[in-house]
Amino acid sequence: QKEVEQNSGPLSVPEGAIASLNCTYSDRGSQSFFWYRQYSGKSPELIMFIYSNGDKEDGRFTAQLNKASQYVSLLIRDSQPSDSATYLCAVNERGYNKLIFGAGTRLAVHP
Amino acid sequence: DTGVSQDPRHKITKRGQNVTFRCDPISEHNRLYWYRQTLGQGPEFLTYFQNEAQLEKSRLLSDRFSAERPKGSFSTLEIQRTEQGDSAMYLCASSSGGGGNEKLFFGSGTQLSVL
Repeated sequence: QKEVEQNSGPLSVPEGAIASLNCTYSDRGSQSFFWYRQYSGKSPELIMFIYSNGDKEDGRFTAQLNKASQYVSLLIRDSQPSDSATYLCAVNERGYNKLIFGAGTRLAVHP
Repeated sequence: DTGVSQDPRHKITKRGQNVTFRCDPISEHNRLYWYRQTLGQGPEFLTYFQNEAQLEKSRLLSDRFSAERPKGSFSTLEIQRTEQGDSAMYLCASSSGGGGNEKLFFGSGTQLSVL
């Protein structure tokens, strides 16, 4: 059973700080990695994707991938109260055209 | 609005009844997915279509669940003889297919409550 693991949180950070969200996955052959943001009662929204080892930056978001350690993370700089949501890590299962999701980490940014 | 559309947004039904949900994907997307999500969990894969062909179905999916995608456009998910454990958010997503680099775009979901 392929697994994607995330700390459920809540992760509480003050406004303006860096929020660091982590995810590990079990399938060493996974090739594509995604971060989705989900507000309470809403559907998941794609915010970042990464395919290669290293960092990928998009505005205040940076995704980091380390395939050797089977680890992917999301950094949110200058966190805002509007970033308060659940962040879902998703991994493409090798050989299949579907994403496996973690349970999500709840982020709370307080003023 | 050219996003993924799902109908209805909410469905309340009694145990034992059948329910059907509809999903209209982004028009140029040939792949369509159904996921289920319960409180505190991530979306759980149910099934997916490429055009009109159903290519994969989760082993966890009861035979009370059936999905169709006639003509490769909209899709329906039917649950027969609903049980209280079927209560969840049913999410539809679509993608253009990227040789493994699947970016899924989700609809607003259908919240099912089985009484």
